[in-house]
Amino acid sequence: EVQLLESGGGLVQPGGSLRLSCEASGFSLSDYAVSWVRQAPGKGLEWVSVIHNSGEIYYADSVRGRFTISRDISKNTLSLQMNSLRAEDTATYFCAKQDGPIVETWFFDYWGQGSLVTVSS
Amino acid sequence: QSVLTQSPSVSGAPGQGVTISCTGSSSNIGAGSGVHWYQQFPGTAPRVLIFHDTNRPSGVPDRFSGSKSATSASLAITGLQAEDEADYYCQSYDVSLNAWVFGGGTKLTVL
Repeated sequence: EVQLLESGGGLVQPGGSLRLSCEASGFSLSDYAVSWVRQAPGKGLEWVSVIHNSGEIYYADSVRGRFTISRDISKNTLSLQMNSLRAEDTATYFCAKQDGPIVETWFFDYWGQGSLVTVSS
Repeated sequence: QSVLTQSPSVSGAPGQGVTISCTGSSSNIGAGSGVHWYQQFPGTAPRVLIFHDTNRPSGVPDRFSGSKSATSASLAITGLQAEDEADYYCQSYDVSLNAWVFGGGTKLTVL
């Protein structure tokens, strides 16, 4: 059974840093891409970053240069290092496994329960 | 402002049907990127309802169906039930942005 479990959320001051983790089970990070998707309170979904099974990494323009995605294959764990945090980064962050034959058709087939990040002084 | 456009809300009586639309452009839906739909209840993670335009994962009732044409897509729900009241999001891939993109979401109210 595929499961994703996020941890590491909390309250942080503007300009501060936070690291989120996502423990995956039921599949290997070396076989599938996994993304971070966030949702601001009362708002819609926004894709943040992906790490492909190949190790390729991509970011949304809104976080490029501030956020860093990484993975530990041996622990089957995904991480998101978030630096220079802003109030607009306040959101629930979901890790989500992706599937599909080619990148343009990938969809998010399994989601974690989410981890709330609040950026406020 | 979302790359994919959805109406903010839709409503229908139990037993009736509704359609939720998702409008994109030539760089996402019109580029042949797949369209996928998610259902989200308050305080929970989204779950995939329709993938690759028209396909239902196991466990999703056949009351839910998807379609796609040119630069837009639709989610149809027939035989509305109270338990269908939720937020619905469309998603695709934008080849110009090199990013997965979502619609702003549609809140379904079952009257």
